[in-house]
Amino acid sequence: ETGVTQSPTHLIKTRGQQVTLRCSSQSGHNTVSWYQQALGQGPQFIFQYYREEENGRGNFPPRFSGLQFPNYSSELNVNALELDDSALYLCASSSPSQGSKNIQYFGAGTRLSVL
Amino acid sequence: AQSVTQPDIHITVSEGASLELRCNYSYGATPYLFWYVQSPGQGLQLLLKYFSGDTLVQGIKGFEAEFKRSQSSFNLRKPSVHWSDAAEYFCAVGSNTGGFKTIFGAGTRLFVKA
Repeated sequence: ETGVTQSPTHLIKTRGQQVTLRCSSQSGHNTVSWYQQALGQGPQFIFQYYREEENGRGNFPPRFSGLQFPNYSSELNVNALELDDSALYLCASSSPSQGSKNIQYFGAGTRLSVL
Repeated sequence: AQSVTQPDIHITVSEGASLELRCNYSYGATPYLFWYVQSPGQGLQLLLKYFSGDTLVQGIKGFEAEFKRSQSSFNLRKPSVHWSDAAEYFCAVGSNTGGFKTIFGAGTRLFVKA
């Protein structure tokens, strides 16, 4: 149990719709990262938020956007959903007190299916 | 560019047998290395991590991994596998480029036969 919670656990959308996924970070962690894990693949980094600012981004188009709130919880928004967006979306939290050692603690994920 | 390679897509071992999962990484500096395990429908659980020091790292659930800089490897081992170890295993490297992130390999699926 990492203390990172994600909602919802499962979601079904149709192509072209928009979706919002939510994440509550582990207590004391102010950095949240989002990953996309397609079936049969390892997780791919989408972006990271630190103190409500985007702090790095992977190779994902602008229709993937995020927010971090003052309580360090976070949202991942995806617009104009495509079939290839079907995946497990993982949230991970970490703390700068770890220095640059980047230990990330993952939630159980949200399974998104786009039909 | 940083990358992680797990050469084996899947491995099958008998319960009680030893296990070694292979991992090779590409990273310009001293790497921070991790092994995570993912059971079906679950998130990722950290098994162990290497930052510096002793190259043999002990983790949870009886797992260990050995960092070999000369081979750019970080193989995961367990002396005796249990049926409950059946899962997907991911090797990963921590990167500070473009924000702190974890770069994962494609994973190795472990099957355990009775």
